[in-house]
Amino acid sequence: NAGVTQTPKFQVLKTGQSMTLQCAQDMNHEYMSWYRQDPGMGLRLIHYSVGAGITDQGEVPNGYNVSRSTTEDFPLRLLSAAPSQTSVYFCASSPLVGRGNTIYFGEGSWLTVV
Amino acid sequence: KQEVTQIPAALSVPEGENLVLNCSFTDSAIYNLQWFRQDPGKGLTSLLLIQSSQREQTSGRLNASLDKSSGRSTLYIAASQPGDSATYLCAVYQGAQKLVFGQGTRLTINP
Repeated sequence: NAGVTQTPKFQVLKTGQSMTLQCAQDMNHEYMSWYRQDPGMGLRLIHYSVGAGITDQGEVPNGYNVSRSTTEDFPLRLLSAAPSQTSVYFCASSPLVGRGNTIYFGEGSWLTVV
Repeated sequence: KQEVTQIPAALSVPEGENLVLNCSFTDSAIYNLQWFRQDPGKGLTSLLLIQSSQREQTSGRLNASLDKSSGRSTLYIAASQPGDSATYLCAVYQGAQKLVFGQGTRLTINP
């Protein structure tokens, strides 16, 4: 199993450009989510999904869009990149139910907006 | 709003020492609590998951405890090794899947 796969690993964008961060998991997990990690801020939840066709906002959703058309994929879209979106982005997945279920993270995508 | 705090932000100890990392949270109504390890430039690796009904979990040289009434968790690392050097993150589950993270403790083990 590949686990959670994120692409690209590194990206530089100009202010105002758009792009999509890709996330795929091969564990048939219902739950997928996106976090951003900033220095001194820890990881913060951007958007999450509990299954195909269902998405919801997390703590810091502004400037980001998501969709979930399949169980495997959960792309994160930046429609008009801003320097404040310079960050490291992590995708995660887990089974939807069960107190003993752990969450799995991808390797991260480093995004710089200039 | 749940807030998770990890103190200290950084810790440096000589190899072989036993050490404790601290995590505190403001809302005791948590679902689970999880400790992660993050190496530079890498993703998060799960170390220990403690369910809300449990008091502690152990894996090898690691032991994590949970005291919901006081809003605290500790990660105990026995006989530390240079390979334990990493950032350790504590996260509280708000519901089954939403995590609220602390800022992490950057641990350095000196040979």
